[in-house]
Amino acid sequence: AQTVTQSQPEMSVQEAETVTLSCTYDTSENNYYLFWYKQPPSRQMILVIRQEAYKQQNATENRFSVNFQKAAKSFSLKISDSQLGDTAMYFCAFMTPYVEGNKLVFGAGTILRVKS
Amino acid sequence: EAQVTQNPRYLITVTGKKLTVTCSQNMNHEYMSWYRQDPGLGLRQIYYSMNVEVTDKGDVPEGYKVSRKEKRNFPLILESPSPNQTSLYFCASSPGLQETQYFGPGTRLLVL
Repeated sequence: AQTVTQSQPEMSVQEAETVTLSCTYDTSENNYYLFWYKQPPSRQMILVIRQEAYKQQNATENRFSVNFQKAAKSFSLKISDSQLGDTAMYFCAFMTPYVEGNKLVFGAGTILRVKS
Repeated sequence: EAQVTQNPRYLITVTGKKLTVTCSQNMNHEYMSWYRQDPGLGLRQIYYSMNVEVTDKGDVPEGYKVSRKEKRNFPLILESPSPNQTSLYFCASSPGLQETQYFGPGTRLLVL
């Protein structure tokens, strides 16, 4: 079975500091896509960043970047210069479109609290 | 504005009373999915659709039905809801198989 593990149920960080959320996954496929979604208290699911497994270069989006280690099946999210608005639940997910269609497999999530 | 909408946003019902949660997207997306979110489990796919009249089961389809008669709409039907279907439900859509999915605002359902 394909699984995603987020080993940190909760984390906290001071405003303006950097925090890294960990994610590991298990799949036997070679062609897949990885995602981080943010869920603020409003419950809306917001795409943070996306990574194609065939790309070696780590994806970045402004203050958000990933460390993609394909051999280790690791996909961590780094948030730089943390802001109060980053407080949310963060979900790691992956998709194997040629095996299971557009199904996203999610981890259990990490609650991030940014403190002032 | 490009968006996925769901109705209702909140619903309290009783065991056995049929209900439908609607989902609509205005982006002409081919793919649509339903997920449920439960504490400690993340989101799990219930059903998905690749196009009009084409649907298939996800990981947790028991107790749910779907239909895709029009491209923009993908309703989720609970014919006889039970308390274990109390959850937060999300509809999502994407333009293609490898594309990013965009989520609706969620529907919080409580079955008594």
